[in-house]
Amino acid sequence: GAVVSQHPSWVICKSGTSVKIECRSLDFQATTMFWYRQFPKQSLMLMATSNEGSKATYEQGVEKDKFLINHASLTLSTLTVTSAHPEDSSFYICSARNLETGGHTEAFFGQGTRLTVV
Amino acid sequence: RKEVEQDPGPFNVPEGATVAFNCTYSNSASQSFFWYRQDCRKEPKLLMSVYSSGNEDGRFTAQLNRASQYISLLIRDSKLSDSATYLCVVEDAGFQKLVFGTGTRLLVSP
Repeated sequence: GAVVSQHPSWVICKSGTSVKIECRSLDFQATTMFWYRQFPKQSLMLMATSNEGSKATYEQGVEKDKFLINHASLTLSTLTVTSAHPEDSSFYICSARNLETGGHTEAFFGQGTRLTVV
Repeated sequence: RKEVEQDPGPFNVPEGATVAFNCTYSNSASQSFFWYRQDCRKEPKLLMSVYSSGNEDGRFTAQLNRASQYISLLIRDSKLSDSATYLCVVEDAGFQKLVFGTGTRLLVSP
């Protein structure tokens, strides 16, 4: 299957700082990338959908000014958590798909980033 | 009501047992359905797609009932390595967003 690489796999940062998470599709063109957040013992919650070259579409309740998403190329999307606070500590996972082919296409997930804000 | 609902478990079963997971979804316009497996602190991985006719992959059988908006996963002859969280996933009508259930945790013991 296709490979999606997410980096870093874990990060600890101080409250008030910003953290950037990268998601790369290594062997296919990801027209659409999805960013999820998962708190312990909870489901993956979609935060935003980003299409290459367009502004991201955020889910209700997700602050777009706090979670900055950039999808400048077909192989790279970044999520920046700005002014992170302890309540932002979570497991962040990206998913990449090529939706140009129509119908269902498999979603490939990055390895996830465990963010701890202290 | 949650879009995708699952019994969180955990299901504790001995090796060799047969176990079944159920899932219901609320959006009747949903197009595609899947079971994913997630190991602790790892990303989800696709286990199998679910079709109306039912489909089988080795020890795993998935079934979809569109009328009841119900999805099931049956695991036969459970192995220790099957211990994980099983996520029921529904794709929206636009073939874009995947909506995840909270997952059902399975623990297979010797």
